[in-house]
Amino acid sequence: QQQVKQSPQSLIVQKGGISIINCAYENTAFDYFPWYQQFPGKGPALLIAIRPDVSEKKEGRFTISFNKSAKQFSLHIMDSQPGDSATYFCAAMAGANNLFFGTGTRLTVIP
Amino acid sequence: EPEVTQTPSHQVTQMGQEVILRCVPISNHLYFYWYRQILGQKVEFLVSFYNNEISEKSEIFDDQFSVERPDGSNFTLKIRSTKLEDSAMYFCASSEMAANTEAFFGQGTRLTVV
Repeated sequence: QQQVKQSPQSLIVQKGGISIINCAYENTAFDYFPWYQQFPGKGPALLIAIRPDVSEKKEGRFTISFNKSAKQFSLHIMDSQPGDSATYFCAAMAGANNLFFGTGTRLTVIP
Repeated sequence: EPEVTQTPSHQVTQMGQEVILRCVPISNHLYFYWYRQILGQKVEFLVSFYNNEISEKSEIFDDQFSVERPDGSNFTLKIRSTKLEDSAMYFCASSEMAANTEAFFGQGTRLTVV
């Protein structure tokens, strides 16, 4: 059973554009939704996270939008830069349990 | 900035051999995890560890896997009798608390079983 579904699989964006990655989940017990950024050969690094009591969280150029009723959340990267080129994973956690990761989105930002 | 460190960065082993992957979690963290990522696929949970015992494990974490905290700083994953399909990146992670807190990941150990 795929706990967290992520799309698209890959994304190409022009420098300065907006990158949008979407995730959906089924388990209503999930109460913590982080996004991880992974560069080749590196481990995932936490980018931004949200709890379901808010609908949006912004940190710099990165924004999470959360729709509890639709069980969806998305990552928006404003003013995308070539340095943002990486694989992005959404994830979800229920209480003290482990992280369930999405399948990842490979973002390429073209100069 | 504190970080999770993993050794070795790359391990090549023959099928059927035992391997031990090592991790040094962040010093004040209490919860430790192992995840794996098969090339090009998503990160998958293996096991979580707290207070010197396994708190949760996935279906992947079968009898060929074991974890240990042999001293106050190291956290190890042992794979007995490795199989070709065990080839993956193995990530160690740690967190200060269990729920709703950031899990810090190490850089991973690339395990290649030949």
